[in-house]
Amino acid sequence: NAGVTQTPKFQVLKTGQSMTLQCAQDMNHNSMYWYRQDPGMGLRLIYYSASEGTTDKGEVPNGYNVSRLNKREFSLRLESAAPSQTSVYFCASSWRDWGTEAFFGQGTRLTVV
Amino acid sequence: GQQVMQIPQYQHVQEGEDFTTYCNSSTTLSNIQWYKQRPGGHPVFLIQLVKSGEVKKQKRLTFQFGEAKKNSSLHITATQTTDVGTYFCAGREALSGTYKYIFGTGTRLKVLA
Repeated sequence: NAGVTQTPKFQVLKTGQSMTLQCAQDMNHNSMYWYRQDPGMGLRLIYYSASEGTTDKGEVPNGYNVSRLNKREFSLRLESAAPSQTSVYFCASSWRDWGTEAFFGQGTRLTVV
Repeated sequence: GQQVMQIPQYQHVQEGEDFTTYCNSSTTLSNIQWYKQRPGGHPVFLIQLVKSGEVKKQKRLTFQFGEAKKNSSLHITATQTTDVGTYFCAGREALSGTYKYIFGTGTRLKVLA
């Protein structure tokens, strides 16, 4: 049972570089989310996708773009990485909206130098 | 915008002592969820509360949702070393019509054997 799979697990970028964080779930969930977690802070919602074909901004969307490629996959793109984007990124999914349990991936630890 | 605060930020207890974390929202919530994150891990769903004044128990854990649906608490009786981690609440603003679940700042629990 894979659940929610994120790749890569670790990444170091130079300022200005771009990259895409991948997320896939095998639970047939409709909703998917991207969060970032900074030291000593809670999780802040970047973007979410309530269902296939829809995406919406969360609390901290600036500097990010997302693509809901299909029901299984939801990617997060950093077009021009900045040191302020150094964080741990978590992808999550749930059956419908957040009235149901959310399952998180293992996280991607991103450092921008 | 909606804000969810948790207190305390940190708590050190001796094994066997009780522990409580409080979650306070600036707006009325439709429901609230609690998650636990072990050090170096990802958030794992514990429970969801929906009704005003609701109380749920899971073994040594007791969860409460306030009458006004703006606050919640998690109480652990007789803590064990396995309870170590950060506990987060996550709430959705009532009538928001969105899927934005906002996480609290978290309470980091350390249990001293």
